[in-house]
Amino acid sequence: NAGVTQTPKFRILKIGQSMTLQCTQDMNHNYMYWYRQDPGMGLKLIYYSVGAGITDKGEVPNGYNVSRSTTEDFPLRLELAAPSQTSVYFCASHAGSDSPLHFGNGTRLTVT
Amino acid sequence: EDQVTQSPEALRLQEGESSSLNCSYTVSGLRGLFWYRQDPGKGPEFLFTLYSAGEEKEKERLKATLTKKESFLHITAPKPEDSATYLCAVSYFDRGSTLGRLYFGRGTQLTVWP
Repeated sequence: NAGVTQTPKFRILKIGQSMTLQCTQDMNHNYMYWYRQDPGMGLKLIYYSVGAGITDKGEVPNGYNVSRSTTEDFPLRLELAAPSQTSVYFCASHAGSDSPLHFGNGTRLTVT
Repeated sequence: EDQVTQSPEALRLQEGESSSLNCSYTVSGLRGLFWYRQDPGKGPEFLFTLYSAGEEKEKERLKATLTKKESFLHITAPKPEDSATYLCAVSYFDRGSTLGRLYFGRGTQLTVWP
């Protein structure tokens, strides 16, 4: 079982560039999430989705966009990269109700 | 202000030396409290969910307990392979409709040396 797969693993962006972080899961989970983890800080929720076509903002959505066209995929888009977006980004999913979150192994993004 | 506070930030134990990690939360209306383990370069790995005060869950050398304002992760006779960062997270009833919308603490970095 692949679980939650994130690509790329690492990326360096210049200020103002854009990119899409990919996330796909093969567990048929309706619920998907994007978190960011900064050194010495707790994970913060960026966006989440409760099913295809439905997304909502988390704690720190500014500078990001998401879409959910299929159950499997939940890409995160950065339109104008800023140094403050340097972080490790984790995608997660779960089946809802009492089921726990399954996390991918993260994308480490540096904006210089 | 952090809603979830973990202590200590770092803990070094000798193999076999039992100890506890603490997680305290400040907001009422707890939906669930979660413990995760995170190894370097990896995503968090689920350990336990606790829902109500008095609840306890065990897995190998780990035991999680919950009171009205905090949770403890007890580690009995730890081994070097227990070295990792342990994350605590909470979900609230009034902060969204999904149990996966979590508020994380900063973690406790545990090192167990032989």
